Amino acid sequence: SQQGEEDPQALSIQEGENATMNCSYKTSINNLQWYRQNSGRGLVHLILIRSNEREKHSGRLRVTLDTSKKSSSLLITASRAADTASYFCATGRRAGGGADGLTFGKGTHLIIQP
Amino acid sequence: KAGVTQTPRYLIKTRGQQVTLSCSPISGHRSVSWYQQTPGQGLQFLFEYFSETQRNKGNFPGRFSGRQFSNSRSEMNVSTLELGDSALYLCASSFWGAENTEAFFGQGTRLTVV
Repeated sequence: SQQGEEDPQALSIQEGENATMNCSYKTSINNLQWYRQNSGRGLVHLILIRSNEREKHSGRLRVTLDTSKKSSSLLITASRAADTASYFCATGRRAGGGADGLTFGKGTHLIIQP
Repeated sequence: KAGVTQTPRYLIKTRGQQVTLSCSPISGHRSVSWYQQTPGQGLQFLFEYFSETQRNKGNFPGRFSGRQFSNSRSEMNVSTLELGDSALYLCASSFWGAENTEAFFGQGTRLTVV
């Protein structure tokens, strides 16, 4: 089952603009990871943020996490045509004595117009 | 360092047949998890193996099974294939489980059942 939802489902912006995607989830988590996927290929890992962190940066990416609201956001600054892809958030949590894998949202499809 | 390798990349099978997919994780990673991606259901967790033991299993029928070898390579098997099993199957490798560390994905195996 899906842990949460990304918002918006689709986003189209001009090259050079910033893109912001949001992710909500339902249960307590250990970490939240963001991924990019191009045209049904494999998932590329972008960034991991732990439940005790509020913000992380990696190059043009900025991720925030608000555990009280069970939400995260991914900001891509100065977008490029190559950023066109689907973006997914995935939550990881411990369950009992093990874990139940990553639980993914439905993704945001980002289109960068040249 | 080599990434996650999945073989084969594409498969076409007939209903009722069985199929085996392979995943070689990043060197040193002991956790391998499997996911199914379809347009309708999105990304869903199948199971995770850690040091040759299945840690958890998603909500899939018993036709879906897997195993992990002592070198951490993993295979998943689907028996008695159904049309609905057509999907992109992704495996992810992590050092200490996706709930603790980054999970890196392979390019996937696209299975088509006819």
